Amino acid sequence: AQKVTQAQTEISVVEKEDVTLDCVYETRDTTYYLFWYKQPPSGELVFLIRRNSFDEQNEISGRYSWNFQKSTSSFNFTITASQVVDSAVYFCALITSGTYKYIFGTGTRLKVLA
Amino acid sequence: DSGVTQTPKHLITATGQRVTLRCSPRSGDLSVYWYQQSLDQGLQFLIQYYNGEERAKGNILERFSAQQFPDLHSELNLSSLELGDSALYFCASSFQDGSYEQYFGPGTRLTVT
Repeated sequence: AQKVTQAQTEISVVEKEDVTLDCVYETRDTTYYLFWYKQPPSGELVFLIRRNSFDEQNEISGRYSWNFQKSTSSFNFTITASQVVDSAVYFCALITSGTYKYIFGTGTRLKVLA
Repeated sequence: DSGVTQTPKHLITATGQRVTLRCSPRSGDLSVYWYQQSLDQGLQFLIQYYNGEERAKGNILERFSAQQFPDLHSELNLSSLELGDSALYFCASSFQDGSYEQYFGPGTRLTVT
């Protein structure tokens, strides 16, 4: 079975704090892709990053960084020096080769307080 | 802007009614996927079409149906609506028949009263 777990339902931080959003996935496939999406209050899904199962390199994009560890089936997302505009629901998702349908986690609502 | 368009943006209707949601994929994309985001079920895959043919089905109710037309736009038809059908419905598109590279539209927010 394929599954994505985001155990943190809601996180509140004060502006400029660092915050890590956890994502744990389950799949038996060896080829798969992991994603993070941001859903601001307006509702659209904003693509943040895609990682394939053969690339365990961590990635940094500005204040965002991602830590992919196959050994623990995790793909965690860290926002450094959080800002109020980072307030949103963040979804982790999985697609395995052959199915091509997103399996989304339940999302983590991040509130960044000024 | 992903290039995927969805209409209408908002839809309010009553229980028992039928509605049609429309999706136009990115230019050149042949696959369309429908997803439902509801409060109790989260974001779930409903159905996929490729070049007019149904290719994959997820947790789509029998009251729901979809099709993809020759011009590649797709419609999701929801009938005998219930309060629980209130949700945000997303369409995504990709070039291939099944791709990890899906581009999401802005969604249609359906409210059933």
